[in-house]
Amino acid sequence: AQSVAQPEDQVNVAEGNPLTVKCTYSVSGNPYLFWYVQYPNRGLQFLLKYITGDNLVKGSYGFEAEFNKSQTSFHLKKPSALVSDSALYFCAVRDNGKAAGNKLTFGGGTRVLVKP
Amino acid sequence: GAVVSQHPSWVICKSGTSVKIECRSLDFQATTMFWYRQFPKQSLMLMATSNEGSKATYEQGVEKDKFLINHASLTLSTLTVTSAHPEDSSFYICSADLSVYEQYFGPGTRLTVT
Repeated sequence: AQSVAQPEDQVNVAEGNPLTVKCTYSVSGNPYLFWYVQYPNRGLQFLLKYITGDNLVKGSYGFEAEFNKSQTSFHLKKPSALVSDSALYFCAVRDNGKAAGNKLTFGGGTRVLVKP
Repeated sequence: GAVVSQHPSWVICKSGTSVKIECRSLDFQATTMFWYRQFPKQSLMLMATSNEGSKATYEQGVEKDKFLINHASLTLSTLTVTSAHPEDSSFYICSADLSVYEQYFGPGTRLTVT
């Protein structure tokens, strides 16, 4: 079974400082990894994904994430956080093995609060 | 990017009534759509996988007779909450597969059962 862990319920950072949101995963096959952001009372917005290739993935709004196979991690990063980045962030994994189907498994979410 | 819509965005209903929520992929066809439920300050819980032209696949613990899913076309899936009760109050989110690499989410529907 596949699983995702986001160890931090909340991350606080000052505007202009680097932002990191942690994610580790577990799958039986090779992972497809995703980051989504959710604003209050809204659905999920796609930020970036790792399928294959370069371990550093660049996405929307200046976010990037680094795939680390040995540590089974896919941490989300932004060099300089903005107040508007305050939201709920979800890491998700999809096992590319046939038995897993197309289901996305989500982490518990990390609330990011960027203070001015 | 691809757009998924949901209707209604917010619905209040009385206990015992049924509510239908629509999920549409606006600019692409989706063989597979998914329905999630989200409680306040919690993650998304997959309820069921909806496949066009066939029966939905429900996750363990989800009552298929209570949460009826119909995927009648490649752009529309519906979730009907039958005989709703206050404990069914939640935020329901659908998503649609553009490919195995890309899943797009609707804006969500907040259901309140009084």
